[in-house]
Amino acid sequence: QVQLQESGPGLVKPSETLSLTCTVSGGSISSYYWSWIRQPPGKGLEWIGYVSYSGTTNYNPSLKSRVTISLDTSRDQFSLKLSSVTAADTAVYYCARGDFWNDYYRWFDPWGLGTLVTVSS
Amino acid sequence: QSALTQPRSVSGSPGQSVTFSCTGTSSDVGGYNYVSWYQQHPGKAPKLIIYDVNKRPSGVPDRFSGSKSGNTASLTISGLQAADEADYYCSSFAGFYILVLFGGGTKLTVL
Repeated sequence: QVQLQESGPGLVKPSETLSLTCTVSGGSISSYYWSWIRQPPGKGLEWIGYVSYSGTTNYNPSLKSRVTISLDTSRDQFSLKLSSVTAADTAVYYCARGDFWNDYYRWFDPWGLGTLVTVSS
Repeated sequence: QSALTQPRSVSGSPGQSVTFSCTGTSSDVGGYNYVSWYQQHPGKAPKLIIYDVNKRPSGVPDRFSGSKSGNTASLTISGLQAADEADYYCSSFAGFYILVLFGGGTKLTVL
């Protein structure tokens, strides 16, 4: 079965770029849509964006100016870069496989275990 | 964009049924049959339990069911068990600009 695992620094300084990688195992990254979703401590979920199996991307309009998501099929990985971070970007970041059939969002499954990223000097 | 509206908490006793609500607008919940629900135990990743309003992924017990009326979607858990105590999030397709919205989550307490 497909499994996802996030990796990357747990601490990022304000104004710098947050970088995370998600490694996909047990299945092909050459289908479906691959998303990043975050959850600030004690708060709800927020979709960040996706990269499709073909490399097309789509982002949450509220984060679009700071987000880049990319795909590396040779390594079965996809990555998130979030620039100019502030304390408000402190959150658990999850990667997830998604179904965006004809750009209609239907579900996320499975999800990675999540990784806490703290923005602090 | 505003998150979907969910009650902060619900509670029920073992064996009872509980229903969670998720209220949106005609631009998201009411406009499409693409509502999903996720269960999240403390410190764990969310797990998909309902998609397309009322479909269950393989392995999810039929105690979990979903429905929708107008701009409000609902998740019902019947035969409540202690292991069902968790946070529950709804999510919906929200049009081709926003794409994805989540609710703020509802904490289920099994008494």
